[in-house]
Amino acid sequence: SYVLTQPPSVSVAPGQTARITCGGSNIGSYSVHWYQQKPGQAPVLVVYDDDDRPSGIPERISGSNSGDTATLTISRVEAGDEADYYCQVWDTSSDWVFGGGTKMTVL
Amino acid sequence: QVTLRESGPALVKPTQTLTLTCTFSGFSLSTRGMCVNWVRQPPGKALEWIAAIDWDDNKYNASSLKTRLTISKDTSKNQVVLTMTNMDPLDTGTYYCARSDAYAFDYWGPGTLVTVSS
Repeated sequence: SYVLTQPPSVSVAPGQTARITCGGSNIGSYSVHWYQQKPGQAPVLVVYDDDDRPSGIPERISGSNSGDTATLTISRVEAGDEADYYCQVWDTSSDWVFGGGTKMTVL
Repeated sequence: QVTLRESGPALVKPTQTLTLTCTFSGFSLSTRGMCVNWVRQPPGKALEWIAAIDWDDNKYNASSLKTRLTISKDTSKNQVVLTMTNMDPLDTGTYYCARSDAYAFDYWGPGTLVTVSS
């Protein structure tokens, strides 16, 4: 089965840039989606198909994907960005797969 | 406006069968490419996709749960029903339904917490 690996946590100061990675074998050949989940709430799609944003998601949130690593980048981090972030792909043998999630703390 | 909402029992006993209903509005599950998924999340843990049904009545189950899951849809009622047999305390968690329209899960319900305990 296909496995996505995320760091358990990242910490970033307000105004700085946060990068959350999602590792997988040849993940660059997959379309990667990213979700933000705040405590007690349902996940929200923030990036789809590697680097597209749904309407309403600010431009300072972006994604990239190449080789064995996909990355979610959040620029000019705000306190309101503190959340858990999950990557996701569709794999033909595993169906939908989520990463283990990364807890982002704003210092 | 697309909305989804999960409903079902908050508490089930071990070995019982869980039945959850996802009631949605703002889209039709008979539209080509449309899909409704179920995702669960044990307390403090990661998201886990468990099942899906699409516009053409194709059904998909996570291999780890395949023998325990049944998913069906009632297009006229805008509902998707998930049943999971032989419930175990490890199945405790929040269960979400989410729409996907050819790609990612763009709309989610608020989730329903299911506790498995005697």
